[in-house]
Amino acid sequence: QKEVEQDPGPLSVPEGAIVSLNCTYSNSAFQYFMWYRQYSRKGPELLMYTYSSGNKEDGRFTAQVDKSSKYISLFIRDSQPSDSATYLCAMKNGTASKLTFGTGTRLQVTL
Amino acid sequence: NAGVMQNPRHLVRRRGQEARLRCSPMKGHSHVYWYRQLPEEGLKFMVYLQKENIIDESGMPKERFSAEFPKEGPSILRIQQVVRGDSAAYFCASSPTFTAEAFFGQGTRLTVV
Repeated sequence: QKEVEQDPGPLSVPEGAIVSLNCTYSNSAFQYFMWYRQYSRKGPELLMYTYSSGNKEDGRFTAQVDKSSKYISLFIRDSQPSDSATYLCAMKNGTASKLTFGTGTRLQVTL
Repeated sequence: NAGVMQNPRHLVRRRGQEARLRCSPMKGHSHVYWYRQLPEEGLKFMVYLQKENIIDESGMPKERFSAEFPKEGPSILRIQQVVRGDSAAYFCASSPTFTAEAFFGQGTRLTVV
């Protein structure tokens, strides 16, 4: 079993839809949770960074962390074609130097 | 403030040659991380360095791979005697502190022919 599981998609939604992206994990020591967006043949771009459980909102993006269920989510409101990309969840514990990534979910927002 | 700079963006090497990948962290960042991304896979941690020190190399293959972050200049990931399986995108990230968020460069795409 992988430490971080993420549905690879592809996920196709119409413009304006609310998108829900999710990851589950098995390591209860993870404390820091991130979402990155990666366009084709580009580097990952940090979208959201949260510590422990709770919600965080930034513009059209909302990140949720439920440590009791080992489940994190990213919501995108009013999705745009420019949101079409691969979304990677990543996490780390308080003492580890490395990020552990999910395999990414490919999102396609259609006109 | 320029982002994380990686060069070259694309690198082609013949089997048996050496590959050198360079990474200049963001200004004020002293923590550097290298990751490898294979097609259709997530990013895999390779090594974590601070200036002049390797802190965690638990993700580095035991042979042919090495990394450094000298006092002056960029961090270097070196792959000796490359093989076709080394073909991948190599990403560098930097952060100002151990727990702060990490920012990634655009990557170096290595192709071994």
